[in-house]
Amino acid sequence: KQEVTQIPAALSVPEGENLVLNCSFTDSAIYNLQWFRQDPGKGLTSLLLIQSSQREQTSGRLNASLDKSSGRSTLYIAASQPGDSATYLCAVRGGGSQGNLIFGKGTKLSVKP
Amino acid sequence: NAGVTQTPKFRILKIGQSMTLQCTQDMNHNYMYWYRQDPGMGLKLIYYSVGAGITDKGEVPNGYNVSRSTTEDFPLRLELAAPSQTSVYFCASNWLGGELFFGEGSRLTVL
Repeated sequence: KQEVTQIPAALSVPEGENLVLNCSFTDSAIYNLQWFRQDPGKGLTSLLLIQSSQREQTSGRLNASLDKSSGRSTLYIAASQPGDSATYLCAVRGGGSQGNLIFGKGTKLSVKP
Repeated sequence: NAGVTQTPKFRILKIGQSMTLQCTQDMNHNYMYWYRQDPGMGLKLIYYSVGAGITDKGEVPNGYNVSRSTTEDFPLRLELAAPSQTSVYFCASNWLGGELFFGEGSRLTVL
């Protein structure tokens, strides 16, 4: 059974710092992996989607990498800003394109001015 | 495009009452999902649908029912509300294997 873990559960950094959020999964036979952002009281907003054949995806200050063999993905945030404060979740889709997404519990990021 | 729209945003129910959470999407996605999110527990899949007329159970389906009569709509029905169903409910949709889009959530309290 696929399990997705995000460590740490919470992270606090000063503004301007570059940071890395971690996501690990137990079954390397994934179809794709998706990173989301969730603001308090809001829904999940998709940040990046990485297909199993890809090693990384970039969007603005965000870069997500994928290493299937080691069961890990990282989300790199450059030059963090207070507006980046939110909970970041990763989710793994296994079992082919029809597989369900398995979510981690998220990392709550706080960027201090 | 509105994306995924959920109603109501907030609701308080008494034990034993029934209600329907509405979800509609305007992206012509074939796949739709209902999740619940509880503090410290992450997101759990309740039901999903691969197209109109086709639904299937997820990880935590007990106490819920769904229907999918059109591509756009995927309502979630709670028949006999219990305190354990107090949660935040999210509807989501996507193309097969594609990026998943979420609604803003429906916060349900059962007293």
